[in-house]
Amino acid sequence: GNSVTQMEGPVTLSEEAFLTINCTYTATGYPSLFWYVQYPGEGLQLLLKATKADDKGSNKGFEATYRKETTSFHLEKGSVQVSDSAVYFCAGGALSGGYNKLIFGAGTRLAVHP
Amino acid sequence: SAVISQKPSRDICQRGTSLTIQCQVDSQVTMMFWYRQQPGQSLTLIATANQGSEATYESGFVIDKFPISRPNLTFSTLTVSNMSPEDSSIYLCSVVLPSSYNEQFFGPGTRLTVL
Repeated sequence: GNSVTQMEGPVTLSEEAFLTINCTYTATGYPSLFWYVQYPGEGLQLLLKATKADDKGSNKGFEATYRKETTSFHLEKGSVQVSDSAVYFCAGGALSGGYNKLIFGAGTRLAVHP
Repeated sequence: SAVISQKPSRDICQRGTSLTIQCQVDSQVTMMFWYRQQPGQSLTLIATANQGSEATYESGFVIDKFPISRPNLTFSTLTVSNMSPEDSSIYLCSVVLPSSYNEQFFGPGTRLTVL
C-alpha cells in the first residue's frame, strides 16, 4: 500500500541555519505530494504542494521538489526563523473517489533557537 | 481556501461518557473528513462524511464508537462514545473544496483528554 516516510525529529537549529527535512513515498502511480505545518496549539495548514514529477512547490521561503527518480519530496529552507518552529508533516495524496486521500508521515518537530 | 471552526476547542472528560465535536465550514462542501491525532503521533483518518450518504469508516474505526452526522453541506459532528483514556487525542475535521480536489483544509482541532 501507499506510505510516506519522513525523517525523525526533533530537529534543532539556530536561527538563519539551513533546513532540510527528508520525505520519501511509496505509492502506486504518481501521487500528489504535500507539506503541512502545525504550529503549537493550532491545526494543520497547507505549506506547499506538487502534483507531478519535477514540480517545485514553494511558500514562505520553503521549497520542495517532486523527484520521481528518488520518490522524494524533501522540504528545504535556506534561512530558518524562530517563528518556523512547528511540526511539519509530509503527505501523499492518492486520487480516490474524486479527491486526494491523504497518507501522512509521522511528522518532524522543528525547534529554532535565536 | 475555507474557514473551518470546531467546537469545543478542548475538553476534559470522564471515562465512560461521550463527547460530540462540531465542525462548521464557511462554504458548502461535499467532502468532509474526520482525523485523529494521538499524542506525539501523525494523523489517522477516521471516516469520510459526505452529505447525503452514510459515513465511510477506515479500518479500525466503527460507527458505534465514532458516530458521525452530516446534516447539510456546511456542518458535521463526530461523537466519541464511551470514552477511555486511550481516546485522548486531537480530533480534526477537514474539507475538500469543489474547486480544488488536490487540497484538504483543516480545522483547528479539538483537544480531548479523558481521565
